[in-house]
Amino acid sequence: AQTVTQSQPEMSVQEAETVTLSCTYDTSESDYYLFWYKQPPSRQMILVIRQEAYKQQNATENRFSVNFQKAAKSFSLKISDSQLGDAAMYFCAYFGSARQLTFGSGTQLTVLP
Amino acid sequence: EPEVTQTPSHQVTQMGQEVILRCVPISNHLYFYWYRQILGQKVEFLVSFYNNEISEKSEIFDDQFSVERPDGSNFTLKIRSTKLEDSAMYFCASDDRGPSGANVLTFGAGSRLTVL
Repeated sequence: AQTVTQSQPEMSVQEAETVTLSCTYDTSESDYYLFWYKQPPSRQMILVIRQEAYKQQNATENRFSVNFQKAAKSFSLKISDSQLGDAAMYFCAYFGSARQLTFGSGTQLTVLP
Repeated sequence: EPEVTQTPSHQVTQMGQEVILRCVPISNHLYFYWYRQILGQKVEFLVSFYNNEISEKSEIFDDQFSVERPDGSNFTLKIRSTKLEDSAMYFCASDDRGPSGANVLTFGAGSRLTVL
């Protein structure tokens, strides 16, 4: 079974600075997808960014980018120019042949003014 | 932008009662999911549904749980006899890609279930 590990339960960043959230996963599959979801206090799950494992190029969405290291099974999220609205719980998730998202335990991000 | 709609947003029920949580997935989506998140814990997969039948289910999804798509638009999760430990946020999600691959799961806003 696949596992997703987020080793940072909490992180903080100063407004306008850059922060990187870590995620590692374990799988024997070669074809899969990785996601970062954001969960603000409203508890809605909001997609931040998606990466297909067959693509070597790192995904980017505006201020959000990933560092995908397939061999190392690492998928970190970089948030540039952090804003107060970025404060939330961030979940890394894996989607493979079992056709279900497997989530990590989350990283609570605080943005300091 | 299309969205997944869940009702109710919050339900309080007595232990042993039946609960039905409702979801309206995005209309052209093919795969439907229920996930749950106990407060302070990770989001856990419950069940996936494709072509009017259960595709995958987790060990959490025991005989107390059932899903159905009664009318081609709604997708429901029923808990037959609720327990205290069923208190959680329940998320519905839908995905527009068929069995050949994954697209993006779009989540609803969640239904918070409180069992007293």
